[in-house]
Amino acid sequence: AQTVTQSQPEMSVQEAETVTLSCTYDTSESDYYLFWYKQPPSRQMILVIRQEAYKQQNATENRFSVNFQKAAKSFSLKISDSQLGDAAMYFCAYRSAAWGGANSKLTFGKGITLSVRP
Amino acid sequence: IAGITQAPTSQILAAGRRMTLRCTQDMRHNAMYWYRQDLGLGLRLIHYSNTAGTTGKGEVPDGYSVSRANTDDFPLTLASAVPSQTSVYFCASRDSSRNSPLHFGNGTRLTVT
Repeated sequence: AQTVTQSQPEMSVQEAETVTLSCTYDTSESDYYLFWYKQPPSRQMILVIRQEAYKQQNATENRFSVNFQKAAKSFSLKISDSQLGDAAMYFCAYRSAAWGGANSKLTFGKGITLSVRP
Repeated sequence: IAGITQAPTSQILAAGRRMTLRCTQDMRHNAMYWYRQDLGLGLRLIHYSNTAGTTGKGEVPDGYSVSRANTDDFPLTLASAVPSQTSVYFCASRDSSRNSPLHFGNGTRLTVT
């Protein structure tokens, strides 16, 4: 079974600075997807970024980028130029690329609460 | 606006009562899921359905049941609620394309007293 580990329950960053959120995962599969979701106080789950395991290039979405290390099974999220609106809980998630049975589901880490200091 | 609708938004329920959380999507997605979110535990899968007419158990299925009579609806039923089922419940869906992300409803906060 796949597992996702987010070992830091909380982090804090100064506005306009850069912060990196860590995530590791365990799988025996070679074809899969990794995701970061943001959950602000509104409770809404918002997709931040996704990475396909077969792609060497790290995904980037505006101020958000990932450092994907497949051999190390590491998938960290970097937030540049942090803004007050980035304060939220962030979840790392894994999904198999296979379809069928429970393969289609996402497996989530426990989440990390990010606070942004003005 | 296309998306997932969950109802109710919140509910306080007496232990032992039966409750159905509703979930409807209008994106014609094949797969639907129910997760519960608890502080310090992240989101855990309760039940899933890869297509209408089929369902499967997730990590924490005990005390919950689901049905998938059609593509759009995926209700979650608590037959006899217990306080440990106090949680925030999320319904989610995705289509079967390879890189499809999960789309979430806004959640139902359930308190069992």
